Amino acid sequence: DIVMTQSPLSLPVTPGEPASISCRSSQSLLHSSGYNYLHWYLQKPGQSPQLLIFLGSDRASGVPDRFSGSGSGTDFTLKISRVEAEDVGIYYCKQALQTPPTFGPGTKVEIK
Amino acid sequence: EEYLLESGGGLAQPGGSLRLSCAASGFSFSEYAMSWVRQTPGKGLEWVSGISDVETRTYYAGSVKGRFTISRDNSKKMLHLQMSGLRAEDTAVYYCVTGLGTEGDAFDIWGQGTRVIVSS
Repeated sequence: DIVMTQSPLSLPVTPGEPASISCRSSQSLLHSSGYNYLHWYLQKPGQSPQLLIFLGSDRASGVPDRFSGSGSGTDFTLKISRVEAEDVGIYYCKQALQTPPTFGPGTKVEIK
Repeated sequence: EEYLLESGGGLAQPGGSLRLSCAASGFSFSEYAMSWVRQTPGKGLEWVSGISDVETRTYYAGSVKGRFTISRDNSKKMLHLQMSGLRAEDTAVYYCVTGLGTEGDAFDIWGQGTRVIVSS
């Protein structure tokens, strides 16, 4: 199975400031199609996870443009340009290249 | 609005069985592959099983293969997960989601989850 790691696991943030989460996979997620098969999900407190970014850098419907995804191969980054209070929760990366799809351990973002 | 609603969770004894169901609404259910994903405090998010849209090919995580069976009824817009031989480590919140999660596929829609507790 492809192993996904994230850092940091906990991220205190200040509203209005930028934030960044790193995700690394044990194998390259770059598909022959040219797309990176890496997705980001956000689980807000008390809610189910929701899709945030797909194929490495495409925002899901309704996701604010302060969220951006980048990276290729085995190293990926989720950035929030200016954190808002509603952005607290746990962020997960997930590989979509091989069965079984596997998630990272999650990064808990909370307001300082 | 696209919606998934799980049911069937509860308390089961080790070695026992439970059947989870998921009702879909607001989208063309038969056109979507579907999966079950579970969440535990210890292991985080774990894909459990998936089923294709029409051909109903099925896929399982190694941890549940031979014990769980996924199925769907497109006419009723329902997804099921028959769980048998339950173990304490199957205790989790089970989410019904759209997609298989591989071949670039994302889990676009999530249900609210149903809690399964395996304990004597």
